[in-house]
Amino acid sequence: EAGVTQFPSHSVIEKGQTVTLRCDPISGHDNLYWYRRVMGKEIKFLLHFVKESKQDESGMPNNRFLAERTGGTYSTLKVQPAELEDSGVYFCASSQQGGSGNTIYFGEGSWLTVV
Amino acid sequence: AQSVTQPDIHITVSEGASLELRCNYSYGATPYLFWYVQSPGQGLQLLLKYFSGDTLVQGIKGFEAEFKRSQSSFNLRKPSVHWSDAAEYFCATGGYQKVTFGTGTKLQVIP
Repeated sequence: EAGVTQFPSHSVIEKGQTVTLRCDPISGHDNLYWYRRVMGKEIKFLLHFVKESKQDESGMPNNRFLAERTGGTYSTLKVQPAELEDSGVYFCASSQQGGSGNTIYFGEGSWLTVV
Repeated sequence: AQSVTQPDIHITVSEGASLELRCNYSYGATPYLFWYVQSPGQGLQLLLKYFSGDTLVQGIKGFEAEFKRSQSSFNLRKPSVHWSDAAEYFCATGGYQKVTFGTGTKLQVIP
């Protein structure tokens, strides 16, 4: 069974440019999450989808970040325009539909460098 | 709100020595607890999880963790560390809604 896959694995862009990160969750997982770790700091929650609906987007830092999950399958996270402080690793994760305690599986991460 | 604390930012152990990484949780009811590892340049890998039942949990790569309600702890242990265990380890709590991570403990393994 394929795990959570993320693309691109690494990206270097200039300040002010746009980057779109993609995440394919594990097949059959209704829950999809985005997290990020900036500058070696804590891993922070960004948002949570249940199918195509945003369940919780309380962690989105500002309106330069836009996440979508059309059709409830893969998700994209767009940063526009990118700033230097957006550099870090963006993790996507997924879990099955169900109650609390479902294991959340993480992808390898998309490493973003803004120069 | 659920939270976990990892008091040790950095730990150095000799290869072959035993390891214990500390994690304390803050939650009124029985928490859902996890340990993840991030090796350099890699993603987050789940080592083990605790939901209920047996308080001693076995994970992958020879790791185990023990849930101690009286101490609000969920410490990660390994009897003999290998050089490949050098990585950053994260304790986490939560579940369906979201996972909250600790600040991480960097493990250095010396020959």
